[in-house]
Amino acid sequence: NAGVMQNPRHLVRRRGQEARLRCSPMKGHSHVYWYRQLPEEGLKFMVYLQKENIIDESGMPKERFSAEFPKEGPSILRIQQVVRGDSAAYFCASSGSKAAAVQETQYFGPGTRLLVL
Amino acid sequence: RKEVEQDPGPFNVPEGATVAFNCTYSNSASQSFFWYRQDCRKEPKLLMSVYSSGNEDGRFTAQLNRASQYISLLIRDSKLSDSATYLCVVNNTGFQKLVFGTGTRLLVSP
Repeated sequence: NAGVMQNPRHLVRRRGQEARLRCSPMKGHSHVYWYRQLPEEGLKFMVYLQKENIIDESGMPKERFSAEFPKEGPSILRIQQVVRGDSAAYFCASSGSKAAAVQETQYFGPGTRLLVL
Repeated sequence: RKEVEQDPGPFNVPEGATVAFNCTYSNSASQSFFWYRQDCRKEPKLLMSVYSSGNEDGRFTAQLNRASQYISLLIRDSKLSDSATYLCVVNNTGFQKLVFGTGTRLLVSP
């Protein structure tokens, strides 16, 4: 049973380019979460998605960031016009399919390390 | 004030030592509590959930004090492989997002 998969593991972009980060949840999981970890800081929640729905995006920056989890395929975190401050590790997590009010364990992928030059 | 606060350390201990970490949280509505472990440049991995009655898993014991809003983790008989950053994590009822502390770094030396 494969775990949460993320690609690419490392991504280098120049300022102004776009970054696309992909996350495939654990088999059988339909809830996906994105977190960002800036250097020397803790993980910060960005967005929570279920298939074709954004449930909670309270942690997403208002501009340049978007996320989706289509019916088919991986979840995508998209950062437009990247700036140096976007350099961070972006972790995806997934959990099972119980009702939203039930806290299920979140399992994390290996992360994508984004470096903006 | 951060929602979850931890002493960043590092805690330097010899093999075989007992070490304890504390964590405080500010949101009294927090309902679920966890300790995660994060190795350098790796993803966080769940170490254990924390229950009101306290719980133990091998050499690891977790305690929750709701009145004082703090959580603790005790590691007995430390191993070299315990060297990592330990993340205190809380979750509030009805919200799926986890709130992480910045972590406490543990270094176990021979």
